[in-house]
Amino acid sequence: DVKVTQSSRYLVKRTGEKVFLECVQDMDHENMFWYRQDPGLGLRLIYFSYDVKMKEKGDIPEGYSVSREKKERFSLILESASTNQTSMYLCASSFPGGARGGSGELFFGEGSRLTVL
Amino acid sequence: TQLLEQSPQFLSIQEGENLTVYCNSSSVFSSLQWYRQEPGEGPVLLVTVVTGGEVKKLKRLTFQFGDARKDSSLHITAAQPGDTGLYLCAGEMGSGGYQKVTFGTGTKLQVIP
Repeated sequence: DVKVTQSSRYLVKRTGEKVFLECVQDMDHENMFWYRQDPGLGLRLIYFSYDVKMKEKGDIPEGYSVSREKKERFSLILESASTNQTSMYLCASSFPGGARGGSGELFFGEGSRLTVL
Repeated sequence: TQLLEQSPQFLSIQEGENLTVYCNSSSVFSSLQWYRQEPGEGPVLLVTVVTGGEVKKLKRLTFQFGDARKDSSLHITAAQPGDTGLYLCAGEMGSGGYQKVTFGTGTKLQVIP
């Protein structure tokens, strides 16, 4: 079975703390993504990665950084958490579609709900 | 600014009614995906449409990709309570290994028995 695992379902942090959100996939997928989900805004792309050590900014990268040292692991880092980063964070992975032969389907973890006080 | 706008944002209907959800953008996508998300879970793929004008059916769900590959619609016939959930469209840009997937604003559907 396809599996994307996010390290924490619920976190509560204080303003200014450094926060690490870990995501691991067991499907040997090349692409990995971090989104945040807020009511009425759908999922907004923070960062994505199409290979080890490669990263690309999404639509809302400010205040976040990422790390992809191994193919199966993609970490989201909040250097100094702020209250406006309170949100649900979703990690996803995929094998690229088109000529690469995959379907391009994104497989998601269950999410990490972060509250910043 | 959200790249993909969905309408309506909320929809509450009686079992057996039909409905259509729209997903619009000014950008061209290489493919368009539709996902459904249930509370406490991540989104799950329903369908991918690739060719402009393409229509795909999944039981009572009909998906259409616009001719210009900028918009899409999801039509549900005779909605059932099991259709309740958050519906998300997602546009894919890029080719080869480079895949950027941007999601829409979401449509929350409630089907009342």
